[in-house]
Amino acid sequence: DARVTQTPRHKVTEMGQEVTMRCQPILGHNTVFWYRQTMMQGLELLAYFRNRAPLDDSGMPKDRFSAEMPDATLATLKIQPSEPRDSAVYFCASGLVLWDEQYFGPGTRLTVT
Amino acid sequence: AQSVAQPEDQVNVAEGNPLTVKCTYSVSGNPYLFWYVQYPNRGLQFLLKYITGDNLVKGSYGFEAEFNKSQTSFHLKKPSALVSDSALYFCAVRDYSSASKIIFGSGTRLSIRP
Repeated sequence: DARVTQTPRHKVTEMGQEVTMRCQPILGHNTVFWYRQTMMQGLELLAYFRNRAPLDDSGMPKDRFSAEMPDATLATLKIQPSEPRDSAVYFCASGLVLWDEQYFGPGTRLTVT
Repeated sequence: AQSVAQPEDQVNVAEGNPLTVKCTYSVSGNPYLFWYVQYPNRGLQFLLKYITGDNLVKGSYGFEAEFNKSQTSFHLKKPSALVSDSALYFCAVRDYSSASKIIFGSGTRLSIRP
């Protein structure tokens, strides 16, 4: 049963620290998405990739967030420096094509104190 | 510009009764429409989609949705609700005619009482 995996599942850190979240998309999927979910803002699309190339990262705060795909089996989302307002659940999702259904990972719950 | 609306934050239904979760959308071209479900402490899970063809689409767990172009709606339905259907439901849309990204609605919390 192919699944998207995310690590870590939970992360507590202090303001100003660097946070790196990792995602392993489903093998063969060539699109990867990063989302952030909060009670106040709901589900926000941060960035997405096709064939490892970034297509759109307009949803990310540019000064502190960065997203990369070093290879086809790994996507990373980095926050440096982290702030309390970054506290949220971050989801990675992958799909076969850009316009079709996405398969979500279990999420990383980030708490910045 | 494209948009999607879920007008109800919460829907409460008694077990065994039919349920409807509403979704309306706005796109300039033809829509791709999706429903996802999120259980507590889990990621979103794909339920069903409308791309083209039959306006009534069937999905997982006995759910179905009807695409209504004139009303720009894609309501999620189930004939008989189960307590285990209690979850957060998201409608999503993408404009087929443009290279636009998918847009998710704000979510509707479905609560099924025994």
